[in-house]
Amino acid sequence: SQQGEEDPQALSIQEGENATMNCSYKTSINNLQWYRQNSGRGLVHLILIRSNEREKHSGRLRVTLDTSKKSSSLLITASRAADTASYFCATDDIGSNYKLTFGKGTLLTVNP
Amino acid sequence: GAVVSQHPSWVICKSGTSVKIECRSLDFQATTMFWYRQFPKQSLMLMATSNEGSKATYEQGVEKDKFLINHASLTLSTLTVTSAHPEDSSFYICSAPTAGANVLTFGAGSRLTVL
Repeated sequence: SQQGEEDPQALSIQEGENATMNCSYKTSINNLQWYRQNSGRGLVHLILIRSNEREKHSGRLRVTLDTSKKSSSLLITASRAADTASYFCATDDIGSNYKLTFGKGTLLTVNP
Repeated sequence: GAVVSQHPSWVICKSGTSVKIECRSLDFQATTMFWYRQFPKQSLMLMATSNEGSKATYEQGVEKDKFLINHASLTLSTLTVTSAHPEDSSFYICSAPTAGANVLTFGAGSRLTVL
């Protein structure tokens, strides 16, 4: 079953604005990852945050992790039209041996 | 970086026929590959874990005889949808863990349409 739950399910913003997506999960994890999927394509890994980390940055991406609340957020700053895609969080559950559990995803639309 | 090639990208077949989808790791070896199914506007559902040289591990509710997985080499895993029916129409995606990390590299996906 899918344990990650992203919200919002859909987000529409203007170019230049920031986009924040949230993810909640239920079990203990080794790490949490965010992936991006363009329509009709495979997923591309964006960033990984380990369970002992609280915040991580990569370019315009900022990810936070709160293991006490079992939640994570992905912030995309200064969004561009090319950021339009679906974004999924994925958890690597303890003992899962690389098997990731994906959330339902947030569809981000960045309007030019 | 690591690349996973998935073929075909789309396929249309008649009900009752079988369809094979290939997933290749191009510049790294993958002892494990994962096969997912994705319905429109939904998340990825893990179908099975493909293990090189041994039997695949299927998730609960996934029919082993319906979705045949073969992982005969360190760079190739195949998913065969046998006796396909319209309800098998979906987007199938494979992935492989990159060496030394839990990060998955995904294929581009295969869209199957069964008429």
